[in-house]
Amino acid sequence: GAGVSQTPSNKVTEKGKYVELRCDPISGHTALYWYRQSLGQGPEFLIYFQGTGAADDSGLPNDRFFAVRPEGSVSTLKIQRTERGDSAVYLCASSFAGPSYNEQFFGPGTRLTVL
Amino acid sequence: AQSVTQPDIHITVSEGASLELRCNYSYGATPYLFWYVQSPGQGLQLLLKYFSGDTLVQGIKGFEAEFKRSQSSFNLRKPSVHWSDAAEYFCAVGASGGSYIPTFGRGTSLIVHP
Repeated sequence: GAGVSQTPSNKVTEKGKYVELRCDPISGHTALYWYRQSLGQGPEFLIYFQGTGAADDSGLPNDRFFAVRPEGSVSTLKIQRTERGDSAVYLCASSFAGPSYNEQFFGPGTRLTVL
Repeated sequence: AQSVTQPDIHITVSEGASLELRCNYSYGATPYLFWYVQSPGQGLQLLLKYFSGDTLVQGIKGFEAEFKRSQSSFNLRKPSVHWSDAAEYFCAVGASGGSYIPTFGRGTSLIVHP
């Protein structure tokens, strides 16, 4: 079956603009995660959804970042008033249930560049 | 909070040689431990994981890792490296007494010479 997909694969925007990044998880996976990977670093956790609700959003860096998953499937990560420091690869992952004991399957990521 | 250290930023080996990538973690209780591989243009792929039980864990692609509590380590090994193993490798630790969300190390880049 299809894996986790993310769109767009690349996004270039200007400082101060608003961007939306989309994640399509594996069908049937109830848990969905967003991570951010800066150059030369490992993925950094942002937020985790169980169904439609955010079960853990402790990794969101500030209130410019917001994510939704209205129907418990596709998720959108929204970044307002983008800053150059937001440039990174944004990774999405999904798992059959919650993070305990369940393997996370990662998408290829969206590379965000803020000019 | 848990943390992971991967002390080697780059490792270079010859094809056919053995490989060991180092990982040290910090967590007060028994951790969940993972190794992921990231190839260019590909998503992160789970190589193996440790939750409990046998401390020597077998994974995909001929990789294995050993959990050593006394050394707070979870080193990844492969007896004979193939050119296709060139990639970025990430060790991660999950809090078994917490949210289980993995915390990743900064990664080790593996370069394979023919």
